[in-house]
Amino acid sequence: GENVEQHPSTLSVQEGDSAVIKCTYSDSASNYFPWYKQELGKGPQLIIDIRSNVGEKKDQRIAVTLNKTAKHFSLHITETQPEDSAVYFCAASRWSSASKIIFGSGTRLSIRP
Amino acid sequence: DGGITQSPKYLFRKEGQNVTLSCEQNLNHDAMYWYRQDPGQGLRLIYYSQIVNDFQKGDIAEGYSVSREKKESFPLTVTSAQKNPTAFYLCASSTLETGGYTFGSGTRLTVV
Repeated sequence: GENVEQHPSTLSVQEGDSAVIKCTYSDSASNYFPWYKQELGKGPQLIIDIRSNVGEKKDQRIAVTLNKTAKHFSLHITETQPEDSAVYFCAASRWSSASKIIFGSGTRLSIRP
Repeated sequence: DGGITQSPKYLFRKEGQNVTLSCEQNLNHDAMYWYRQDPGQGLRLIYYSQIVNDFQKGDIAEGYSVSREKKESFPLTVTSAQKNPTAFYLCASSTLETGGYTFGSGTRLTVV
């Protein structure tokens, strides 16, 4: 079945440095790729998403890139801050479809002061 | 404000008892989902519903049951047949036209 692989599972970076999380997906028909941030004891919150008709999207310190040919997409966080510490999930689905989202296994990001 | 509400936030039950977790949304979303999350783990799909009075099993449906009598509500019952029910349960909703999910704040169930 469809699968989304996410790496690394844990990531520790110095405050102010950049963090990169990478995902690959198996369903070539996927065309919607959201990223979620989950803080301790809370539900995941959508932080950025990208559709297959674009290769990159930025929102302040967060950016997502997509390589449809390689079926890779990545989350980039620049100038990391303590409040960026959380678990991040990538996901893939087919937009405008009844298909459910397939989630990656998550990355626990820790920002060192 | 529109949103998705899960209640209660914490729930304790004795082994062998059924327990029902509530999920309500006022976003007018068609689809609703239940996920289970174990400590340090990802999200595993239990059940989902794309329309009222219809629902489908996810990857780990055994020991769980759901109903979808109203568009706004999608309660999850954890039955005594679920071997290891202690976990964090997340409800989500989405429209059928878009892909993004809105999640609730979760219910932490502890069975003793």
